[in-house]
Amino acid sequence: SQQGEEDPQALSIQEGENATMNCSYKTSINNLQWYRQNSGRGLVHLILIRSNEREKHSGRLRVTLDTSKKSSSLLITASRAADTASYFCATESRAAGNKLTFGGGTRVLVKP
Amino acid sequence: DTGVSQDPRHKITKRGQNVTFRCDPISEHNRLYWYRQTLGQGPEFLTYFQNEAQLEKSRLLSDRFSAERPKGSFSTLEIQRTEQGDSAMYLCASSLGWQGDNEQFFGPGTRLTVL
Repeated sequence: SQQGEEDPQALSIQEGENATMNCSYKTSINNLQWYRQNSGRGLVHLILIRSNEREKHSGRLRVTLDTSKKSSSLLITASRAADTASYFCATESRAAGNKLTFGGGTRVLVKP
Repeated sequence: DTGVSQDPRHKITKRGQNVTFRCDPISEHNRLYWYRQTLGQGPEFLTYFQNEAQLEKSRLLSDRFSAERPKGSFSTLEIQRTEQGDSAMYLCASSLGWQGDNEQFFGPGTRLTVL
């Protein structure tokens, strides 16, 4: 079963615009991670945010975590055509062992 | 070492045949994971190893699936008597797996098509 649920399922924006996607999960977590996947390829790790952190930045990426609402958001600023991909959130929790539990992903299309 | 590698990248087989996939993790990583991903879905956990010990298996891993990591380095995932429902991308990941956060690095995946 998948713990995280991303919203929206799909997003289409113009190059230069910001893209925001959300992830909700069900159980308490150790950390939450965001991954990117280009069509038919493996996953690339983007950013990890710990349960005691509220916000984290990495380049054009900004991730927030609200453990009271069991939700996270990923913001991509000044999007580029190369950002076109599927984005997945994944949670790691003690209750679930050491595996990652992924959501269904948000498919982002950045139009040039 | 440039990352996690998987072989083959693509496999087409007929229903009922056996297939075996290989994963080579990042060399200093102790943990190795297998996931399965179907089209339009997120990856689902199958199993993981700490060194050579298989510590957890998902209920998704039927008795037709077996995974090994004999020397704590590379791992193999075998599917016996393949079924069309086994068609998916099989992803391998590795992590340091000691203390702290468990950032997992993924390989490119093996795409299996069962005809």
